[in-house]
Amino acid sequence: QQQVKQSPQSLIVQKGGISIINCAYENTAFDYFPWYQQFPGKGPALLIAIRPDVSEKKEGRFTISFNKSAKQFSLHIMDSQPGDSATYFCAASPGGYNKLIFGAGTRLAVHP
Amino acid sequence: GAVVSQHPSRVICKSGTSVKIECRSLDFQATTMFWYRQFPKQSLMLMATSNEGSKATYEQGVEKDKFLINHASLTLSTLTVTSAHPEDSSFYICSALPPARDEQYFGPGTRLTVT
Repeated sequence: QQQVKQSPQSLIVQKGGISIINCAYENTAFDYFPWYQQFPGKGPALLIAIRPDVSEKKEGRFTISFNKSAKQFSLHIMDSQPGDSATYFCAASPGGYNKLIFGAGTRLAVHP
Repeated sequence: GAVVSQHPSRVICKSGTSVKIECRSLDFQATTMFWYRQFPKQSLMLMATSNEGSKATYEQGVEKDKFLINHASLTLSTLTVTSAHPEDSSFYICSALPPARDEQYFGPGTRLTVT
């Protein structure tokens, strides 16, 4: 119940295309859902996060879509660029604990 | 803002020795810090939650006597890997949680290699 399932494991997108990464969870106690970007040999960097009281949040080219009834959330990267090539992790935090449960990660490659 | 540093960035040690990794929040006070480890091409696994002035809370399966955590101030937490073995070789990453915030900010990580 503590798992966060992330798909796909890897993704190849052409420059200018839309990258879509999906995550699903079971634990309804999760109430905070961040996405992190990680480059090789570096720590993760927070991209964008959402709470269950909204269905969508947009920051620049990054959008989170959240479906509370389906217990799913996704990251959309619009106008994908080669510099977006990295590993993306979704995560979830159970209310009041602040611990992050990470998905398995998605390796994104944006080809020019 | 919300910068977290780690030191060292890389360390090589011999089997049986101990190594200390520092995690600092540079521009905010962090009552809570977290320690993760990450094996190549895998996700981050939470090892322990560190609260300033109290004992760390370890995740199931993490040996507290092997991975000593000290959170002596609001800006510094340390992880000491005691009697390190080659299987402890990994990427260790800390994160810090500003007060009354949800966002965790991660350090750049420490690559530990045990020979």
